[in-house]
Amino acid sequence: AQRVTQPEKLLSVFKGAPVELKCNYSYSGSPELFWYVQYSRQRLQLLLRHISRESIKGFTADLNKGETSFHLKKPFAQEEDSAMYYCALRTPAQKLVFGQGTRLTINP
Amino acid sequence: NAGVTQTPKFQVLKTGQSMTLQCAQDMNHEYMSWYRQDPGMGLRLIHYSVGAGITDQGEVPNGYNVSRSTTEDFPLRLLSAAPSQTSVYFCASGQQGSYGYTFGSGTRLTVV
Repeated sequence: AQRVTQPEKLLSVFKGAPVELKCNYSYSGSPELFWYVQYSRQRLQLLLRHISRESIKGFTADLNKGETSFHLKKPFAQEEDSAMYYCALRTPAQKLVFGQGTRLTINP
Repeated sequence: NAGVTQTPKFQVLKTGQSMTLQCAQDMNHEYMSWYRQDPGMGLRLIHYSVGAGITDQGEVPNGYNVSRSTTEDFPLRLLSAAPSQTSVYFCASGQQGSYGYTFGSGTRLTVV
């Protein structure tokens, strides 16, 4: 079965410090992985897609098939990065399976 | 181009009442899904559809019905509301390819 695990429910770092939000997945085939962000009481927004290897708002994520991970990283956190972050995996049946989410708080 | 539109934004129901949460998208997306968001549980898939006339159950389908008579609309019906269905409900749509899903703004439902 497909599963996405985000081991940290809460993560707090200081402004300017590096950030890493962890995501591990369980999937037998080639995964399609995404990171979504949800700012306070807003809709989810797509942040990153693994296939595009892009950097959005300074965030990057690398797919590591050996470790089945897709961790989200940013070298210097900003206060506006405070939000809920979800890692998600899309199955061939077009279901999007989410992790439990990590609430990131950036302290001034 | 409105994207994914959900109505209503807020709703309070009494236990046992029924209601329909509306979801419409104007992007001609094939795929549509309903999720519920609860603290500490992330987003859990209720039902999803890969095209008009085709629906399937997700992780937590009990107590909910869906239909997809058109590409644009994917309503979610609560048959007999229960307090356990108090949640924020999100509708999402997507298409084939490596793009993610587009989400609606959510419906905050309280069942008393």
